[in-house]
Amino acid sequence: EADIYQTPRYLVIGTGKKITLECSQTMGHDKMYWYQQDPGMELHLIHYSYGVNSTEKGDLSSESTVSRIRTEHFPLTLESARPSHTSQYLCASSGATARDSSGANVLTFGAGSRLTVL
Amino acid sequence: DQQVKQNSPSLSVQEGRISILNCDYTNSMFDYFLWYKKYPAEGPTFLISISSIKDKNEDGRFTVFLNKSAKHLSLHIVPSQPGDSAVYFCAASARGQNFVFGPGTRLSVLP
Repeated sequence: EADIYQTPRYLVIGTGKKITLECSQTMGHDKMYWYQQDPGMELHLIHYSYGVNSTEKGDLSSESTVSRIRTEHFPLTLESARPSHTSQYLCASSGATARDSSGANVLTFGAGSRLTVL
Repeated sequence: DQQVKQNSPSLSVQEGRISILNCDYTNSMFDYFLWYKKYPAEGPTFLISISSIKDKNEDGRFTVFLNKSAKHLSLHIVPSQPGDSAVYFCAASARGQNFVFGPGTRLSVLP
């Protein structure tokens, strides 16, 4: 049973459209993340948030924006989509309750949103 | 500059044999390491972790070994099963920092 939900799972849109990828988690995690992944490549962190009203850019520059108005919700928006934005977008969360036996702050991922921009 | 490297893009193993997936890192400040498994059209799922104070962590069929001096870790799956066929990502973090992921290794377990 998924505790972190992403919608839509698949989206095909035309160039210039505005899109929002939704991400919600029910675990009460304070930290949330957006990763971008192309086939055969590593997951690149594009945005993260350590709490409400806190957002930061990740290691990979992205034209997308995020907001964190509620703990459980971390949507990602592209104001004007381009073919270069075609990718898989993965949302993840972690929190104090997500530490495993090693003490690592384990990330829980959603199923991903695959975006294709024509 | 890749801080976490998985130099084998793919690996094929016979069912019942051992699968060994390797990961190398460059940042000596990394102190936590995670392995994730990813099926197509799904998000990565957490598999096993290890902290830098240990050199081995075992969970059922999965064992992770860490060699700090070589900046190398490996994931052993014994015995391998067809359901283990997936892409495996290695991730590392320094305390308090975000995790950095490798490019993944695609494991195929042949029946």
